Amino acid sequence: DGGITQSPKYLFRKEGQNVTLSCEQNLNHDAMYWYRQDPGQGLRLIYYSQIVNDFQKGDIAEGYSVSREKKESFPLTVTSAQKNPTAFYLCASSRDRESYGYTFGSGTRLTVV
Amino acid sequence: AQSVTQLGSHVSVSEGALVLLRCNYSSSVPPYLFWYVQYPNQGLQLLLKYTSAATLVKGINGFEAEFKKSETSFHLTKPSAHMSDAAEYFCAVSEYNAGNMLTFGGGTRLMVKP
Repeated sequence: DGGITQSPKYLFRKEGQNVTLSCEQNLNHDAMYWYRQDPGQGLRLIYYSQIVNDFQKGDIAEGYSVSREKKESFPLTVTSAQKNPTAFYLCASSRDRESYGYTFGSGTRLTVV
Repeated sequence: AQSVTQLGSHVSVSEGALVLLRCNYSSSVPPYLFWYVQYPNQGLQLLLKYTSAATLVKGINGFEAEFKKSETSFHLTKPSAHMSDAAEYFCAVSEYNAGNMLTFGGGTRLMVKP
């Protein structure tokens, strides 16, 4: 079955360390997205990519980096510059049509101690 | 820029009661509209979507939504709430010929009392 896979489900890191969250899709979708979710704050867009080797900053890109070397993969690195990285991170993908909406992964909960 | 407003960040209903979650959008042209549901510690799952066919859209788990252009609304309803409906619900919009990006509302947490 086609889908979008985020790993790991739970991630613990020490303060000051970089950490990379994985997002892989086998839906042949062109566009991929990363969102951050904090309690009571809805979804906030971190980065998105409409095509391989190209990506754009979202509303809260500071302290994060991404790459899009393959259509299937869109990893997110949370750097030490991100001041409050503890959150739930969601990856999504979509086709190039506005009527399709997004398919979401199951999320990664990152806790920095 | 388009925006989506979900009135009420928390809604509480009794089991068996009507569920009504409100969504209003701002768009100069009829958009595509979506409702997603999120259970704790999970990703978002598509409930239903409006893509300019029938204005009353039926989705999964007994939910439906009606597109009302004159009111710029796309409210989500379910006749009888079940305990398993307790979750967070997000309304989203994408605009015709404006790419595939979605704009999300702030979400509504639905609580179902026994």
